Amino acid sequence: GDSVTQMEGPVTLSEEAFLTINCTYTATGYPSLFWYVQYPGEGLQLLLKATKADDKGSNKGFEATYRKETTSFHLEKGSVQVSDSAVYFCALTRTSYDKVIFGPGTSLSVIP
Amino acid sequence: DVKVTQSSRYLVKRTGEKVFLECVQDMDHENMFWYRQDPGLGLRLIYFSYDVKMKEKGDIPEGYSVSREKKERFSLILESASTNQTSMYLCASRTASTWDLGYGYTFGSGTRLTVV
Repeated sequence: GDSVTQMEGPVTLSEEAFLTINCTYTATGYPSLFWYVQYPGEGLQLLLKATKADDKGSNKGFEATYRKETTSFHLEKGSVQVSDSAVYFCALTRTSYDKVIFGPGTSLSVIP
Repeated sequence: DVKVTQSSRYLVKRTGEKVFLECVQDMDHENMFWYRQDPGLGLRLIYFSYDVKMKEKGDIPEGYSVSREKKERFSLILESASTNQTSMYLCASRTASTWDLGYGYTFGSGTRLTVV
């Protein structure tokens, strides 16, 4: 079945460091890919998405590129801030009648 | 922006009580979902619904039921609460429209339920 694998962390970075969170997936066909973010005590928020190969999703300085050849969707940010401390979930779905499959989440702490 | 509203942020209930968790969305979404989130276990799907009066079991439906009498409201029911149902409960909705490429969820803020 479909699945998502991501580095579990926790990841601790200093402010202004470069961030990469790796995500790889297994799925038939051409799924849509997502990154969700969960701030402490909150629900998940959609951070960015990509719906076809080579698409780049971007939002709030975060980027991820849909790589069909490596089945990957790695999240990057050039300069993290303390306010980026959260849990990040990689996810996929194939159609509007398929459930979204989530990775286990990666906890990020950014220290001043 | 679509909003998904969960009626309570924090809830404390006693073992054996019947518990209702309410979720309302305001964007006419067809699909609605209930997840629970526990440390080390990630997000687990309890039940979902593709339309009014429809429901489907997710991965962990035991001990739960749901109700969807109106399109905008999806209720999760714990028939007889137990301590192992202490968790964060997350509701989500999604359009089924094929023009909305991506089909991502919109989540509510979550209800942290403690059963004592």
